[in-house]
Amino acid sequence: GQNIDQPTEMTATEGAIVQINCTYQTSGFNGLFWYQQHAGEAPTFLSYNVLDGLEEKGRFSSFLSRSKGYSYLLLKELQMKDSASYLCAVVGYNQGGKLIFGQGTELSVKP
Amino acid sequence: DGGITQSPKYLFRKEGQNVTLSCEQNLNHDAMYWYRQDPGQGLRLIYYSQIVNDFQKGDIAEGYSVSREKKESFPLTVTSAQKNPTAFYLCASSNRPPGRTNEKLFFGSGTQLSVL
Repeated sequence: GQNIDQPTEMTATEGAIVQINCTYQTSGFNGLFWYQQHAGEAPTFLSYNVLDGLEEKGRFSSFLSRSKGYSYLLLKELQMKDSASYLCAVVGYNQGGKLIFGQGTELSVKP
Repeated sequence: DGGITQSPKYLFRKEGQNVTLSCEQNLNHDAMYWYRQDPGQGLRLIYYSQIVNDFQKGDIAEGYSVSREKKESFPLTVTSAQKNPTAFYLCASSNRPPGRTNEKLFFGSGTQLSVL
């Protein structure tokens, strides 16, 4: 079976750091994506990891451990505009390139 | 500017009615996808197409139909057989399927479908 788990909701304070976790169980693994989605809008690409380790891109970083089936998205210096849903998505070997999405984590940033 | 356009933004369906959601892209992408998004759930794949005149069922294809007559267009029809159609529908495209490379998806801004 295939399963991707993320926390449903998180709350953090402006200027702080927040870590959003994602665990997965899929038939094979060919990469993990993080997307950001503001309410009623299109998801936008944040990061892609296929090898173990940390990928840093400005205020956002993404980490992957393939042996643990685990990833996290790290957001630093939180801003109010970071309030959004964060979607974790995995590609398996035999998926024909299809992404399997987690349910998303709704992040609320408070002043 | 290149992008992916969905219309309409909001759509209402009556009982027994078929409705069609439009999706157009000018990114010259080969692959296109339709996802359904329900509150508290992840995006679920309805149909996808990797090339013109070819498409494959996703995980929840029942009650939906698609066509891919042109590279730029991938309309989705929600038929009367779909008994719970109220959801946010997202169309996406990519140059190649994400599984082959780190090919990311580009999403449209979505269509909210509601039942009257």
